[in-house]
Order: sequence, then structure tokens, then C-alpha cells
Amino acid sequence: GESVGLHLPTLSVQEGDNSIINCAYSNSASDYFIWYKQESGKGPQFIIDIRSNMDKRQGQRVTVLLNKTVKHLSLQIAATQPGDSAVYFCAEKITGNQFYFGTGTSLTVIP
Amino acid sequence: DVKVTQSSRYLVKRTGEKVFLECVQDMDHENMFWYRQDPGLGLRLIYFSYDVKMKEKGDIPEGYSVSREKKERFSLILESASTNQTSMYLCASRIAGTGSYNEQFFGPGTRLTVL
Repeated sequence: GESVGLHLPTLSVQEGDNSIINCAYSNSASDYFIWYKQESGKGPQFIIDIRSNMDKRQGQRVTVLLNKTVKHLSLQIAATQPGDSAVYFCAEKITGNQFYFGTGTSLTVIP
Repeated sequence: DVKVTQSSRYLVKRTGEKVFLECVQDMDHENMFWYRQDPGLGLRLIYFSYDVKMKEKGDIPEGYSVSREKKERFSLILESASTNQTSMYLCASRIAGTGSYNEQFFGPGTRLTVL
């Protein structure tokens, strides 16, 4: 079946370093991907998205890279800050209105 | 800003009780969704609604039903709560359009415990 997963369940980085969170997907027909951030006790918040006709998209301190050849998605966070500590997960649009979500990576920023 | 609100942040119910979880969005979105989130399993879709009075089963609809009488409100109903329905429940909404590239906006979640 289709799957969206994260390679590492936890990630610890020093404050100021760059963070990279990875995601694998298996449906080559998926045309839209989203990264969400979920802080403890809160609902997921949109970070950045990318369409399948793009390889890279940049936001404020975040970059998403899409490699369709190996069905891989990554989220890069520049100059990671304590406020970035959260669970990050990717979502893949599998049909017109439905998304499939990964299990998440817990990012801890060490001051 | 889009706002999705859920009626309760925390809820404790007993086995066999009927439970209502309410979700309201203020952006006139056509699509609304109910997920449950469990450790190690990610978000799993329970039901979604394309528009008023329309609903579709998601991946895990068993034990749940939904109601969408008004565009802004989507209710999740546990007809007879069981302990395995203890979970975090997340509501989301989204602009309609099968070809649209729009994210889902999530509410804060309801942590339901069934004793």
C-alpha cells in the first residue's frame, strides 16, 4: 500500500545548527506535499508545501526538497531555535481531497 | 487567519457512553475532516465531508459516525465509546477542489479518554 514515513523518529540539534528531517513516500502519482509542525498539546500547523512539478521551495528559514526519482522529501530548518522544538511530519495528497500523513519526527533543540 | 475550533480540549467518558466532538471553522471551507492521532501511527482519517450533508468514510470509520448539517460545523459521534477509542482527535478544514493545492487547517485537538 501507499506509505509516507520518516526515517528517524527523534532528532536532537544544537541551537544555531541546521536541521534536516526526512520523509519517504511510495505513491509516484502524488502531486502535492506539505510539512506540518506540531507543538506539544497543539494541533498541526502548516510550515511549507511543494508541488510535484518543483524540486525545491524556500520559506522563512525553511526549505523543502523533493526528489521524485527516489520518492523522498526533506525539510531543512536553518539556524534552528528552541522554538523549533516540536514534532514534524509530512503529508502527501493521495487523492483530490485526502492526505496521508507520516508518523512524525520529534525535533529537540539543545540550547 | 483561518480558525478551526474544537469544543473540548480534554474529555473523559465512560465505556458505553455516547460522545459528541464538535468542530467549527470560520473560513467557509467546503471540506472538513476528522482524524485520530495515536503514538507511532500518525494521523488516521476517520471521516471527511465534501460539503453540507455529504460524508465519506476514511480509513477507520468503525465505531464512529459524523454529522454535517451546516457548512461551518462537523461533528464526530462515538455511538458507544470504548477504551480503544481513547486518543487525540483532530479536526481539519480545507478549500474544496480536487486539483487545488491547498493545505488542511487543523484545530487544537481533543484528548479523549474512555474509562
